Amino acid sequence: GAVVSQHPSRVICKSGTSVKIECRSLDFQATTMFWYRQFPKQSLMLMATSNEGSKATYEQGVEKDKFLINHASLTLSTLTVTSAHPEDSSFYICSAYLAGGPYEQYFGPGTRLTVT
Amino acid sequence: GIQVEQSPPDLILQEGANSTLRCNFSDSVNNLQWFHQNPWGQLINLFYIPSGTKQNGRLSATTVATERYSLLYISSSQTTDSGVYFCAVWSNFNKFYFGSGTKLNVKP
Repeated sequence: GAVVSQHPSRVICKSGTSVKIECRSLDFQATTMFWYRQFPKQSLMLMATSNEGSKATYEQGVEKDKFLINHASLTLSTLTVTSAHPEDSSFYICSAYLAGGPYEQYFGPGTRLTVT
Repeated sequence: GIQVEQSPPDLILQEGANSTLRCNFSDSVNNLQWFHQNPWGQLINLFYIPSGTKQNGRLSATTVATERYSLLYISSSQTTDSGVYFCAVWSNFNKFYFGSGTKLNVKP
């Protein structure tokens, strides 16, 4: 089956620093990947759609300058949380589907970010 | 966007019992998936089911696209079935919309 990995799985950083999270499709190509954020005991909230070779599309209310997304290849998308603050602490999850469809989503294991 | 509603929000079962989780959606969809989120946060794909019925062991799912709902059946529940079950739909807007989830607690 299709596998999506994320790195790191857990990160603690100090307020004001930047953190990069990687999302990789291990055994398939993904022209589109998605980034979600999940607060405790809540559902997943779509942050942005990452498109290979073009700019990401951000959901309303998501600061594109704070959450930088780069999709440099068909197997890698990165999310950089810039100038992190404690309120950015959350669980971040990426997903991808096979280029050309169907639209079955495969999710990474998530990254738990704690900003102190 | 599409509204996705799941019910019940919480469910407590005794081990061995059966249950049905429901997912209603407000518009036509191209894809519907059921996931189980384990205690570590990983979303496990259960079913990719835009329409029809599928079965996988003790789990089965049915989607009636024309009536805009899907059902997830869990039979002979086990404590390892505990966790949160999410329904999510893929729309013509090229986005995946999640329901709010059903938190299942199976007691021994």
